[in-house]
Amino acid sequence: KAGVTQTPRYLIKTRGQQVTLSCSPISGHRSVSWYQQTPGQGLQFLFEYFSETQRNKGNFPGRFSGRQFSNSRSEMNVSTLELGDSALYLCASRPGLTRGNTIYFGEGSWLTVV
Amino acid sequence: SQQGEEDPQALSIQEGENATMNCSYKTSINNLQWYRQNSGRGLVHLILIRSNEREKHSGRLRVTLDTSKKSSSLLITASRAADTASYFCATDKRSGGGADGLTFGKGTHLIIQP
Repeated sequence: KAGVTQTPRYLIKTRGQQVTLSCSPISGHRSVSWYQQTPGQGLQFLFEYFSETQRNKGNFPGRFSGRQFSNSRSEMNVSTLELGDSALYLCASRPGLTRGNTIYFGEGSWLTVV
Repeated sequence: SQQGEEDPQALSIQEGENATMNCSYKTSINNLQWYRQNSGRGLVHLILIRSNEREKHSGRLRVTLDTSKKSSSLLITASRAADTASYFCATDKRSGGGADGLTFGKGTHLIIQP
């Protein structure tokens, strides 16, 4: 079955703009989480959604937000973009919230802020 | 903050040799997962080991877990050029209620020389 699908793969935005990234989880997976990867900070957890509800949030400012739809697809939004938001944004899915599930990642969305 | 710390940060070996990477973490965990990332791509899941397991195998991969030392190792046997990638360990903390994200180390960059 298809893996985690993220769109767009690459995008360039200007400081102050906002961006929306999309993620479709593996079929049957109801949990979607988002991660930011930068050379300096590495991979950091942003938030996780399950049943359209945010279940946990990492240590990121309120400019970073997300949502999940009834079909488990998720979007994340970053408002008032800063240069430091340039990163690879990775979406991941798992069947549910039970610990011990393998977490599968998509190919990521490369965001460059200029 | 990064809980996992991989060691070494970079490793260069000849094709056919074995590669060993280590990971240390700080808090009690439910499980530990290893991922591979090719340059600019998403994370590929390699193996998950639960806190009550000590060793796990998958093809040319062998993972060990020592919860008393809060450490894990990933061994890749008979390395191939295609194994060139960055390898990350990620811990899923053992905490009550809610869903926490994975905590990643900074990764080991493995280069297989042909």
